[in-house]
Amino acid sequence: SAVISQKPSRDICQRGTSLTIQCQVDSQVTMMFWYRQQPGQSLTLIATANQGSEATYESGFVIDKFPISRPNLTFSTLTVSNMSPEDSSIYLCSAADATNEKLFFGSGTQLSVL
Amino acid sequence: EDKVVQSPLSLVVHEGDTVTLNCSYEVTNFRSLLWYKQEKKAPTFLFMLTSSGIEKKSGRLSSILDKKELSSILNITATQTGDSAIYLCITDKLIFGTGTRLQVFP
Repeated sequence: SAVISQKPSRDICQRGTSLTIQCQVDSQVTMMFWYRQQPGQSLTLIATANQGSEATYESGFVIDKFPISRPNLTFSTLTVSNMSPEDSSIYLCSAADATNEKLFFGSGTQLSVL
Repeated sequence: EDKVVQSPLSLVVHEGDTVTLNCSYEVTNFRSLLWYKQEKKAPTFLFMLTSSGIEKKSGRLSSILDKKELSSILNITATQTGDSAIYLCITDKLIFGTGTRLQVFP
């Protein structure tokens, strides 16, 4: 199994600013994923972070708003850019195990935008 | 379009009750279904199901997959307040169900 450290655990930000969320995995993983969970809703996949290439974004999410970095096989960041109150959510990262079937999750980031 | 539907959306029970949560899926090239428990932020892994008809158990929790019916159930017996959480089912293609919010009252 993999252990994922995610930070910050929570933040309160001003409208128009950007926040970068980091996830560090204790082992090398091929695939990492970023999700958003808006209040009262299930997890929604934002993008798949690929090492050595651009992230693959799901419908409704764009790189300018959610730039992602994946510099190596143990680390990824998600930036929430030009934030508005609608971006207030929990943001989660996850990594797939070697079979790409079981997911391990970071501890999540609770973001509030004023 | 691939989708996963969970029911009920919300469930309120008393301690000691038994609950059954449902997950139905329509996913091309289905390989596996996973159940997670989400209490605060990060979901924790419960079960991975790949074969139909084989029950997986962990304490008071059990789960089974029915590939003919394209569904899975998660059973919790003798519920406790600590079972209060959102239960998510997810396919290997990262299609998430809406979740079932379970509240267990003393």
